[in-house]
Amino acid sequence: IQLTQSPSSLSASVGDRVTITCRASQGISSYLAWYQQKPGKAPKLLIYAASTLQSGVPSRFSGSGSGTDFTLSISSLQPEDFATYYCQQLNSYPRTFGQGTRLEIK
Amino acid sequence: EVQLVESGGGLVQPGRSLRLSCTASGFTFGDYAMSWFRQAPGKGLEWVGFIRSKAYSGTTEYAASVQGRFTISRDDSKSIAYLQMNSLKTEDTAVYYCARDLHTDGMDVWGQGTTVTVSS
Repeated sequence: IQLTQSPSSLSASVGDRVTITCRASQGISSYLAWYQQKPGKAPKLLIYAASTLQSGVPSRFSGSGSGTDFTLSISSLQPEDFATYYCQQLNSYPRTFGQGTRLEIK
Repeated sequence: EVQLVESGGGLVQPGRSLRLSCTASGFTFGDYAMSWFRQAPGKGLEWVGFIRSKAYSGTTEYAASVQGRFTISRDDSKSIAYLQMNSLKTEDTAVYYCARDLHTDGMDVWGQGTTVTVSS
C-alpha cells in the first residue's frame, strides 16, 4: 500500500491552522497513524486509528478520514510544532509510511 | 519510566554482519510486539520488520528490502529485542529505531536510535 502525503513541505506562521493530507493507494479502513519527528529525534505518535489523540498530545492536533483519504490538522500552530510529519498505515504488511511533510516557519 | 534503548550500531564493511539490541524498561516487555524502523540520511522513515509477542506466536514480518538478510528475535527474560543484520549493503546505512508496537494503534514508545554505517 502506497501512502502519498501532500504537501511535501509547508510554510506557516505561529497561530495558523494547517492541514496535511495522506492518501492511500487502497482502502485501509481507519488503520492510520500520524507521527511528528524533529531533527535528530525519534518519531512521536500523535494520532492513531485515524482520529484518536495519543495520550499527552495537545488537543490542537486532530485527525480524520477513513478508507483512502486522511487528514492531520493543527488548529493553532505553536513554535514547537515545526517539524516533519509522517502518516503510517497499519492495515497490512509492509507497514508503509508517507514520504513526510516538512512544516517550516514562515 | 517506559523506555527503549538501542545499542550495537557502528561502522561495518559491506557483506558483514551486525546485531542491534533494543533494551526495554518500565513495562512488561513480553506482553508487547516490537518493531524496527530505519531512516537513511536525509530520508523518510522505513519499516524494517516486526515480532509478535509470545502470546501471539512470536512470529515475524519483514520488509522486502531486508527479507532473508535480517532477523528479528526477542529474549523476554532480558526484555531485549534484537535485529540481526547479515549481508549488509551500503543502502542499509541509516539510523535504526525500535518501537513498542500496539498493532493497529501505532508505535507509542520509541528508542533514541542507533546509527549503522555500511562502508568499505
